[in-house]
Amino acid sequence: DAKTTQPNSMESNEEEPVHLPCNHSTISGTDYIHWYRQLPSQGPEYVIHGLTSNVNNRMASLAIAEDRKSSTLILHRATLRDAAVYYCMGGSEKLVFGKGTKLTVNP
Amino acid sequence: GAVVSQHPSWVICKSGTSVKIECRSLDFQATTMFWYRQFPKQSLMLMATSNEGSKATYEQGVEKDKFLINHASLTLSTLTVTSAHPEDSSFYICSARDSERVGQPQHFGDGTRLSIL
Repeated sequence: DAKTTQPNSMESNEEEPVHLPCNHSTISGTDYIHWYRQLPSQGPEYVIHGLTSNVNNRMASLAIAEDRKSSTLILHRATLRDAAVYYCMGGSEKLVFGKGTKLTVNP
Repeated sequence: GAVVSQHPSWVICKSGTSVKIECRSLDFQATTMFWYRQFPKQSLMLMATSNEGSKATYEQGVEKDKFLINHASLTLSTLTVTSAHPEDSSFYICSARDSERVGQPQHFGDGTRLSIL
């Protein structure tokens, strides 16, 4: 399981884009990069995952560095409902959570 | 989409009681499920990997006799906290992935809040 490093917290304004960084320099070549988010008293919610190419879905975009040692989760227009703790993880099966980034969205 | 259901959502019981938590994959089969524990203001801590038809694999420091895991079918894993004490009070969360499809993400249940008096 890759060790990941994320900023403890970030702040954004509503309707502005948010770029959440993650370093995963020890990730193996076959491990996916996963992003989840968690609201208080809820289980983690899947956001996006990818292997090598950048990925887009209805929630977010995932930009993966060419060397795969880092990635960025992009929320194109933050809403108040996007305020959560965001976790990135590298793994193929079991996921080991780090401390994540607490995202605050200001109205 | 893939859904993982946990039951119960919360439970309050007396010290010494054993508590069973169920984790079900509702629309897919999962040969492997995972159990996590989360204390207030902390991240999720992986406790064990539940393997269908075989013994669970526990993470270092997790007592297997304290946290009994049974994965009797491809859609159900149970975690039993035996002789629970106040220090076992926590938020327990399970996850599962569609084992028949490659590259699918893990999906998490909504968690079970366990409070031991």
